[in-house]
Amino acid sequence: SSELTQDPAVSVALGQTVRITCQGDSLRTYYASWNQQKPGQAPVLVIYGKNNRPSGIPDRFSGSSSGNTASLTITGAQAEDEADYYCNSRDSSGNLNWVFGGGTKLTVL
Amino acid sequence: QVQLVESGGGVVQPGRSLRLSCAASGFTFSNYGMHWVRQAPGKGLEWVALIWYDGTNKYYADSVKGRFTISRDNSKNTLYLQMNSLRAEDTAVYYCARDLQQLWYDFWGQGTLVTVSS
Repeated sequence: SSELTQDPAVSVALGQTVRITCQGDSLRTYYASWNQQKPGQAPVLVIYGKNNRPSGIPDRFSGSSSGNTASLTITGAQAEDEADYYCNSRDSSGNLNWVFGGGTKLTVL
Repeated sequence: QVQLVESGGGVVQPGRSLRLSCAASGFTFSNYGMHWVRQAPGKGLEWVALIWYDGTNKYYADSVKGRFTISRDNSKNTLYLQMNSLRAEDTAVYYCARDLQQLWYDFWGQGTLVTVSS
């Protein structure tokens, strides 16, 4: 099955912009989604598809994709954005699977 | 508002069985596919299974195929996961999640913890 690769940890200064990336062959076929998970809580969808935000997600979150790489950008990071972020997509290898990246821990300094 | 509430977790011995439930409300349950996703302690997310809106198609991760069965009762707005032949490596928080376009998950439950230990 396909794999999605994320950097384990990223940090950003309060109010600055940060990009979190996700790489994998399946992203050449399917758009990714991004899920935010804070400690002890369930994941929350923040971006899906080309660049769609569910209702209630601040517009400082945006997504993009190029080739085998999907990116989540937070413009003007806030303290409450500190969390783990997981990308996911459908497996494109022919198996009917859905895959997640290993997650990126975002620290807001 | 959409609500997904899992139940049925607990401590179980290796080789035994457990059935998880996910009660859905706030949307037309019978119109949506549903997933189970799990997260081992301190680890990342792992997709487990998907069932179509009408129950006609079911898909499983290789790690659970042949041991776990996903099902649903649309009259009760409830999703299930029957877990047999449990192993230590099945220890995780199990989340149910609503399917979005057979690609992503747009709502998640709070999860239920399954611990497989002797």
